[in-house]
Amino acid sequence: GQQLNQSPQSMFIQEGEDVSMNCTSSSIFNTWLWYKQDPGEGPVLLIALYKAGELTSNGRLTAQFGITRKDSFLNISASIPSDVGIYFCAGLENNNDMRFGAGTRLTVKP
Amino acid sequence: EAGVAQSPRYKIIEKRQSVAFWCNPISGHATLYWYQQILGQGPKLLIQFQNNGVVDDSQLPKDRFSAERLKGVDSTLKIQPAKLEDSAVYLCASSLEGASFTEAFFGQGTRLTVV
Repeated sequence: GQQLNQSPQSMFIQEGEDVSMNCTSSSIFNTWLWYKQDPGEGPVLLIALYKAGELTSNGRLTAQFGITRKDSFLNISASIPSDVGIYFCAGLENNNDMRFGAGTRLTVKP
Repeated sequence: EAGVAQSPRYKIIEKRQSVAFWCNPISGHATLYWYQQILGQGPKLLIQFQNNGVVDDSQLPKDRFSAERLKGVDSTLKIQPAKLEDSAVYLCASSLEGASFTEAFFGQGTRLTVV
Protein backbone atom coordinates (compact mmCIF):
# COMPACT_ATOMS: atom_id res chain seq x y z
CA GLY A 1 0.00 0.00 0.00
CA GLN A 2 0.89 3.64 -0.18
CA GLN A 3 3.47 5.02 2.25
CA LEU A 4 2.75 8.47 3.70
CA ASN A 5 5.74 10.31 5.12
CA GLN A 6 4.86 13.30 7.27
CA SER A 7 7.44 15.76 8.51
CA PRO A 8 8.56 17.09 10.79
CA GLN A 9 7.63 14.70 13.60
CA SER A 10 7.49 17.55 16.08
CA MET A 11 7.92 21.30 16.18
CA PHE A 12 8.53 23.73 19.03
CA ILE A 13 7.81 27.31 18.05
CA GLN A 14 7.23 30.68 19.63
CA GLU A 15 3.78 32.23 19.61
CA GLY A 16 3.40 34.41 16.53
CA GLU A 17 5.70 32.36 14.33
CA ASP A 18 4.61 30.68 11.11
CA VAL A 19 4.63 26.90 10.79
CA SER A 20 4.97 24.61 7.82
CA MET A 21 4.57 20.84 7.64
CA ASN A 22 4.28 18.45 4.73
CA CYS A 23 3.41 14.99 3.58
CA THR A 24 4.79 12.97 0.72
CA SER A 25 3.50 9.77 -0.76
CA SER A 26 5.01 6.94 -2.73
CA SER A 27 2.02 7.01 -5.05
CA ILE A 28 -0.71 9.29 -6.29
CA PHE A 29 -3.70 10.41 -4.24
CA ASN A 30 -6.96 11.91 -5.48
CA THR A 31 -7.67 13.79 -2.26
CA TRP A 32 -5.49 15.20 0.49
CA LEU A 33 -6.88 15.97 3.93
CA TRP A 34 -5.43 17.74 6.95
CA TYR A 35 -6.69 17.01 10.48
CA LYS A 36 -5.90 18.33 13.97
CA GLN A 37 -6.16 16.12 17.02
CA ASP A 38 -6.24 17.52 20.54
CA PRO A 39 -5.35 15.28 23.51
CA GLY A 40 -8.16 12.89 24.35
CA GLU A 41 -10.16 13.84 21.27
CA GLY A 42 -10.71 12.46 17.82
CA PRO A 43 -9.23 14.12 14.73
CA VAL A 44 -11.08 17.14 13.36
CA LEU A 45 -10.93 17.96 9.67
CA LEU A 46 -9.22 21.29 8.91
CA ILE A 47 -8.89 21.38 5.14
CA ALA A 48 -9.74 19.08 2.23
CA LEU A 49 -8.01 19.33 -1.16
CA TYR A 50 -9.44 17.73 -4.28
CA LYS A 51 -7.38 18.88 -7.27
CA ALA A 52 -3.68 18.95 -8.08
CA GLY A 53 -2.32 22.44 -7.52
CA GLU A 54 -5.30 23.47 -5.39
CA LEU A 55 -4.50 26.00 -2.68
CA THR A 56 -7.11 26.35 0.08
CA SER A 57 -7.24 28.51 3.18
CA ASN A 58 -9.17 28.18 6.41
CA GLY A 59 -8.45 31.22 8.56
CA ARG A 60 -4.75 31.21 9.41
CA LEU A 61 -4.33 27.79 7.81
CA THR A 62 -3.35 27.26 4.19
CA ALA A 63 -2.86 23.92 2.48
CA GLN A 64 -1.85 22.94 -1.03
CA PHE A 65 -2.31 19.81 -3.10
CA GLY A 66 0.99 19.18 -4.88
CA ILE A 67 1.05 19.21 -8.66
CA THR A 68 2.50 15.69 -8.79
CA ARG A 69 -0.42 14.55 -6.56
CA LYS A 70 2.16 12.87 -4.32
CA ASP A 71 2.56 15.61 -1.75
CA SER A 72 0.77 18.28 0.26
CA PHE A 73 1.75 20.94 2.75
CA LEU A 74 0.01 22.80 5.55
CA ASN A 75 1.01 26.25 6.72
CA ILE A 76 -0.15 27.96 9.89
CA SER A 77 0.48 31.67 10.09
CA ALA A 78 0.90 33.73 13.28
CA SER A 79 0.60 30.72 15.60
CA ILE A 80 -1.30 31.01 18.88
CA PRO A 81 -1.25 28.75 21.94
CA SER A 82 -4.46 26.96 20.94
CA ASP A 83 -2.75 25.71 17.78
CA VAL A 84 -1.03 23.14 20.01
CA GLY A 85 -1.89 19.59 19.01
CA ILE A 86 -1.07 16.87 16.53
CA TYR A 87 -1.64 17.56 12.87
CA PHE A 88 -2.25 14.64 10.53
CA CYS A 89 -2.28 14.50 6.78
CA ALA A 90 -4.37 11.85 5.08
CA GLY A 91 -4.55 10.78 1.48
CA LEU A 92 -7.41 9.18 -0.38
CA GLU A 93 -6.63 7.03 -3.39
CA ASN A 94 -10.29 6.25 -3.92
CA ASN A 95 -13.30 6.82 -1.76
CA ASN A 96 -12.67 3.72 0.32
CA ASP A 97 -8.95 3.83 1.01
CA MET A 98 -7.69 6.62 3.25
CA ARG A 99 -4.20 6.53 4.76
CA PHE A 100 -2.99 8.79 7.57
CA GLY A 101 0.50 10.14 8.13
CA ALA A 102 2.16 9.64 11.52
CA GLY A 103 1.44 13.20 12.58
CA THR A 104 3.32 16.39 13.44
CA ARG A 105 3.20 17.35 17.10
CA LEU A 106 3.11 21.13 17.44
CA THR A 107 4.07 22.94 20.63
CA VAL A 108 3.61 26.71 20.82
CA LYS A 109 5.44 28.59 23.54
CA PRO A 110 3.73 31.78 24.72
CA GLU B 1 -26.44 18.06 17.37
CA ALA B 2 -24.86 15.30 19.44
CA GLY B 3 -21.54 13.97 18.18
CA VAL B 4 -20.26 10.42 17.91
CA ALA B 5 -20.47 8.80 21.34
CA GLN B 6 -18.01 6.16 22.45
CA SER B 7 -17.65 4.20 25.66
CA PRO B 8 -15.80 3.46 27.75
CA ARG B 9 -13.26 6.29 27.53
CA TYR B 10 -10.53 4.19 29.11
CA LYS B 11 -10.02 0.48 29.63
CA ILE B 12 -7.15 -1.47 31.18
CA ILE B 13 -7.09 -5.24 30.78
CA GLU B 14 -4.61 -8.06 31.07
CA LYS B 15 -3.39 -9.85 27.98
CA ARG B 16 -5.57 -12.75 26.88
CA GLN B 17 -8.67 -11.08 28.33
CA SER B 18 -11.58 -9.93 26.20
CA VAL B 19 -12.81 -6.37 25.75
CA ALA B 20 -15.61 -4.62 23.91
CA PHE B 21 -16.06 -1.03 22.81
CA TRP B 22 -19.29 0.68 21.93
CA CYS B 23 -20.04 3.43 19.43
CA ASN B 24 -23.22 5.40 18.81
CA PRO B 25 -22.89 7.41 15.58
CA ILE B 26 -24.46 10.75 14.80
CA SER B 27 -28.18 10.34 14.22
CA GLY B 28 -28.93 9.54 10.60
CA HIS B 29 -25.38 8.59 9.69
CA ALA B 30 -25.47 5.35 7.73
CA THR B 31 -21.72 4.89 7.44
CA LEU B 32 -19.67 3.93 10.50
CA TYR B 33 -15.93 3.40 10.77
CA TRP B 34 -13.68 1.88 13.42
CA TYR B 35 -10.06 3.00 13.51
CA GLN B 36 -7.08 1.88 15.58
CA GLN B 37 -4.58 4.60 16.56
CA ILE B 38 -1.37 3.32 18.10
CA LEU B 39 0.60 5.88 20.09
CA GLY B 40 2.70 8.02 17.77
CA GLN B 41 0.87 6.95 14.63
CA GLY B 42 -2.06 8.07 12.58
CA PRO B 43 -5.38 6.24 12.69
CA LYS B 44 -5.67 3.01 10.72
CA LEU B 45 -9.03 1.84 9.39
CA LEU B 46 -10.17 -1.47 10.83
CA ILE B 47 -13.68 -1.78 9.43
CA GLN B 48 -16.31 0.27 7.61
CA PHE B 49 -20.06 -0.37 7.80
CA GLN B 50 -22.79 0.89 5.52
CA ASN B 51 -25.98 0.50 7.58
CA ASN B 52 -25.61 -3.05 8.96
CA GLY B 53 -23.40 -4.35 6.14
CA VAL B 54 -19.60 -4.48 6.04
CA VAL B 55 -18.06 -2.40 3.25
CA ASP B 56 -14.38 -2.96 4.07
CA ASP B 57 -12.79 -5.13 6.74
CA SER B 58 -9.58 -5.90 4.91
CA GLN B 59 -7.39 -4.56 7.73
CA LEU B 60 -9.31 -6.13 10.61
CA PRO B 61 -7.30 -8.92 12.31
CA LYS B 62 -10.16 -11.36 12.15
CA ASP B 63 -8.53 -14.00 14.31
CA ARG B 64 -9.10 -11.82 17.37
CA PHE B 65 -11.11 -8.75 16.33
CA SER B 66 -14.80 -8.70 15.50
CA ALA B 67 -17.31 -5.94 14.96
CA GLU B 68 -21.02 -5.79 14.45
CA ARG B 69 -23.71 -3.25 13.72
CA LEU B 70 -26.78 -5.43 13.90
CA LYS B 71 -29.49 -2.78 13.61
CA GLY B 72 -27.50 -0.38 11.48
CA VAL B 73 -27.17 2.18 14.25
CA ASP B 74 -24.74 1.61 17.10
CA SER B 75 -21.80 -0.72 16.83
CA THR B 76 -19.52 -2.80 19.03
CA LEU B 77 -15.90 -3.74 18.43
CA LYS B 78 -14.55 -6.74 20.32
CA ILE B 79 -11.06 -8.07 20.90
CA GLN B 80 -10.74 -11.64 22.11
CA PRO B 81 -8.12 -12.46 23.32
CA ALA B 82 -6.21 -9.19 23.66
CA LYS B 83 -2.47 -8.90 23.05
CA LEU B 84 -0.04 -6.31 24.33
CA GLU B 85 0.23 -4.78 20.85
CA ASP B 86 -3.51 -4.04 20.87
CA SER B 87 -2.83 -1.14 23.24
CA ALA B 88 -4.13 1.87 21.31
CA VAL B 89 -6.94 4.37 21.01
CA TYR B 90 -9.94 2.95 19.17
CA LEU B 91 -11.77 5.68 17.30
CA CYS B 92 -15.23 5.50 15.85
CA ALA B 93 -16.37 7.84 13.08
CA SER B 94 -19.59 8.25 11.14
CA SER B 95 -20.87 9.96 8.02
CA LEU B 96 -24.03 10.25 5.96
CA GLU B 97 -24.71 7.58 3.35
CA GLY B 98 -22.85 8.38 0.18
CA ALA B 99 -20.69 11.00 1.86
CA SER B 100 -16.95 10.88 1.49
CA PHE B 101 -14.38 10.56 4.25
CA THR B 102 -14.16 14.35 4.32
CA GLU B 103 -17.61 14.45 5.86
CA ALA B 104 -16.90 11.91 8.60
CA PHE B 105 -16.92 12.97 12.25
CA PHE B 106 -14.81 11.22 14.87
CA GLY B 107 -15.67 10.32 18.44
CA GLN B 108 -13.33 10.90 21.37
CA GLY B 109 -12.07 7.34 21.26
CA THR B 110 -11.53 4.56 23.78
CA ARG B 111 -8.00 4.27 25.11
CA LEU B 112 -7.13 0.60 25.65
CA THR B 113 -4.13 -0.46 27.68
CA VAL B 114 -3.23 -4.16 27.67
CA VAL B 115 -0.85 -5.17 30.45
